[in-house]
Amino acid sequence: DSGVTQTPKHLITATGQRVTLRCSPRSGDLSVYWYQQSLDQGLQFLIQYYNGEERAKGNILERFSAQQFPDLHSELNLSSLELGDSALYFCASSVGQEHQPQHFGDGTRLSIL
Amino acid sequence: QKEVEQDPGPLSVPEGAIVSLNCTYSNSAFQYFMWYRQYSRKGPELLMYTYSSGNKEDGRFTAQVDKSSKYISLFIRDSQPSDSATYLCAMRMNTGFQKLVFGTGTRLLVSP
Repeated sequence: DSGVTQTPKHLITATGQRVTLRCSPRSGDLSVYWYQQSLDQGLQFLIQYYNGEERAKGNILERFSAQQFPDLHSELNLSSLELGDSALYFCASSVGQEHQPQHFGDGTRLSIL
Repeated sequence: QKEVEQDPGPLSVPEGAIVSLNCTYSNSAFQYFMWYRQYSRKGPELLMYTYSSGNKEDGRFTAQVDKSSKYISLFIRDSQPSDSATYLCAMRMNTGFQKLVFGTGTRLLVSP
């Protein structure tokens, strides 16, 4: 158990809808990262937050947004969902924002019908 | 061309074999190298974390980094059926930005 908690484990929804994925980092970790894992692209970095502030963006679509709350949990919001958004979404956390290993949760599997 | 290349496998070995998993990369700025193990329907689990070139050993696992060749390896000794999983290499630069760049993973099957 990595200590990173993600909910829900599985989401099934339809095109055009909006969903929210939640992540609780390991106790003491201030950085949260979101990744998308699809069969053809592998694990792709989406966005990083450190202590409530956005620190880095990767290949995140404009339809996607995230935030980190004062209690350090994070939410990833996906809107106007398309079939191609079906993937595993992982959250990872680390103590700081430099040179520390990232520990991953078990992900949320998003299925768009 | 992808920044990190990894043979997808599957790699099938008998129990007790020595397993060699490899990644090549193109960005010479990568300084931190990691190996993650991912079981089906689970998140990646950190196995090894190394900085720059050299070897690191942890139990049955040895990680090697050859920056001159842009090549990293993970060796598993005395492989067990429980080692059957997908192994992902990951790396990042020596900056404050902690984006990890992953290989696509190698699926390993260890048969009893």
